[in-house]
Amino acid sequence: NAGVTQTPKFQVLKTGQSMTLQCAQDMNHNSMYWYRQDPGMGLRLIYYSASEGTTDKGEVPNGYNVSRLNKREFSLRLESAAPSQTSVYFCASSLISTGPNQPQHFGDGTRLSIL
Amino acid sequence: AQSVTQLGSHVSVSEGALVLLRCNYSSSVPPYLFWYVQYPNQGLQLLLKYTTGATLVKGINGFEAEFKKSETSFHLTKPSAHMSDAAEYFCAVSVGGSYIPTFGRGTSLIVHP
Repeated sequence: NAGVTQTPKFQVLKTGQSMTLQCAQDMNHNSMYWYRQDPGMGLRLIYYSASEGTTDKGEVPNGYNVSRLNKREFSLRLESAAPSQTSVYFCASSLISTGPNQPQHFGDGTRLSIL
Repeated sequence: AQSVTQLGSHVSVSEGALVLLRCNYSSSVPPYLFWYVQYPNQGLQLLLKYTTGATLVKGINGFEAEFKKSETSFHLTKPSAHMSDAAEYFCAVSVGGSYIPTFGRGTSLIVHP
């Protein structure tokens, strides 16, 4: 049981390049989330998917797009990377069908540097 | 709307000393409260959660937290700090009708030998 798996773990990009961060969960959770973590800022929600087939913007969606490929997978795409997107990105999942008291399960993150 | 404030971005204790990490929340409806821990180069892991019922919640690794409605607080404590407790700790709040938790900015716990 792997939980939430993120790939890649590290990536260096040049300004203007594009890339997709992958996330998969094997816990049969219905909701998935993408966060970025920056020093002193805590976790900021980029996008989330409450259930398969739906996606919604979070606090900081500009410059990102997402795809909920199926119940297991939720990808985050940077179309034209900018230095301000240098961050650690976390994917999380939860089973909200039973209520908002369910905790989130996190992957180990993708450390992204944009030069 | 809900919000979370963690007092102190860094807390430093000696090994064996009491750990107290502070969290205050704002919510117009009964909240669900969580503490997560993040070790270096890892994702967040659930320490404990409060939903309903008993206000003193016990979690993993000897941590516990008490929900105090009158003080809108959910402080995290551990009687005796261990070197392995050094990590970043996040408080989060979720309320009915909103399935998106709000996280605090985190408190870094430093444990000195």
